[in-house]
Amino acid sequence: DIQMTQSPSSLSASVGDRITITCQASQEIRDFINWYQQKPGKAPQLLINGASKLETGVPSRFSGSGFGTSFTFTINSLQPEDIATYFCQQYDILPYSFGQGTKLELK
Amino acid sequence: QITLKESGPTLVRPTQTLTVTCTFSGFSRTRSGVGVGWIRQPPGKALEWLGLIYWDDDTHYSPSLESRLTITKGTSENQVVLSLTNVDPVDTGTYYCAHQLGMKGLDFWGQGILVSVSS
Repeated sequence: DIQMTQSPSSLSASVGDRITITCQASQEIRDFINWYQQKPGKAPQLLINGASKLETGVPSRFSGSGFGTSFTFTINSLQPEDIATYFCQQYDILPYSFGQGTKLELK
Repeated sequence: QITLKESGPTLVRPTQTLTVTCTFSGFSRTRSGVGVGWIRQPPGKALEWLGLIYWDDDTHYSPSLESRLTITKGTSENQVVLSLTNVDPVDTGTYYCAHQLGMKGLDFWGQGILVSVSS
């Protein structure tokens, strides 16, 4: 099974900051990785598909990159509404798997 | 517009079977490349991928749950059913179903249903 190692597990940042989350896959997964945002009591929402493709309606301050085993998710100019937990997920090789999540908090 | 919603009992006794139904609209489960995935999340913890059923009935499960987990099409064309046998309190969590499209992964999710396993 593929392990998705996501870091950091938590992050404290200020409005306007640039934040970066990484996911490392234990095997090559091409660019079959998604990034989700989850707010308390809500279902995850897909933000970025295929490592770098922004979903319709998602603000352009969100971005993703990477290929193979190393992936990055970035929020440029953090906004208060971005406070949430973020998860990566690989969907290249079954069983599909999630990272452990990054809880983003306001400093 | 694709929507999904989970339904079922919210309290299940240990050793019993947990059954959650996913009712969806906005897509056909027989369309090539389409699947319905299941994910759960214990309170305060990470997401766990459980399994997936594709348009052609091909089904895949998490190895850790494969002996207890079954995903089937429901009696209606717009339903998929998850069954987890012999549950334990560690199976407590929010269960989500989601639309899966091959090149996009899980793109639309249901609101989830919190199922507690307790005596």
